[in-house]
Amino acid sequence: DGGITQSPKYLFRKEGQNVTLSCEQNLNHDAMYWYRQDPGQGLRLIYYSQIVNDFQKGDIAEGYSVSREKKESFPLTVTSAQKNPTAFYLCASRGSLYGNTIYFGEGSWLTVV
Amino acid sequence: DQQVKQNSPSLSVQEGRISILNCDYTNSMFDYFLWYKKYPAEGPTFLISISSIKDKNEDGRFTVFLNKSAKHLSLHIVPSQPGDSAVYFCAASASQTGANNLFFGTGTRLTVIP
Repeated sequence: DGGITQSPKYLFRKEGQNVTLSCEQNLNHDAMYWYRQDPGQGLRLIYYSQIVNDFQKGDIAEGYSVSREKKESFPLTVTSAQKNPTAFYLCASRGSLYGNTIYFGEGSWLTVV
Repeated sequence: DQQVKQNSPSLSVQEGRISILNCDYTNSMFDYFLWYKKYPAEGPTFLISISSIKDKNEDGRFTVFLNKSAKHLSLHIVPSQPGDSAVYFCAASASQTGANNLFFGTGTRLTVIP
């Protein structure tokens, strides 16, 4: 089945540690995105990538890093510099540059303990 | 600054009646609008979209209306069913900017009462 796979679903991290969230898609989509959702709030864009080896900062990129070495993969690293990392993280992809719908993965819960 | 606004955080509707969810936007460059449905701890699911060249798009029980002059769109669900209970997000994008990402509202929690 085609889709977007995020892993892990639940992740606990100690303060001061980096953690990487995986996102893989087999939809042959060019663009990929990372969003963050906090309780009772909308989705905020962290990073996005339109093509391989290229990515752009979104609205809340501080404390995060990404890479796009393959079309199918867009991992997100939450670094120790991110002051409030506990949130629900959503990966998404889009089929073409304009006008197409963004489709989301199932999300990953990150909790800092 | 929130470019897409959903001013009603929650809405309760009786089963079988119409649900109307509203969304306002400020950026006149937005030309593509979407509605997503989200259950807790899951990713949003695409519901329906509309391009700015239209003022209405219908898909089964779901209809989206766009009023460009008022910068307002709405999602109508009729008849509402208990399974429709979820958080609904409105989103918008501006194809001409090339930014290629969606701007989301803060969501409206719909509860359909059996």
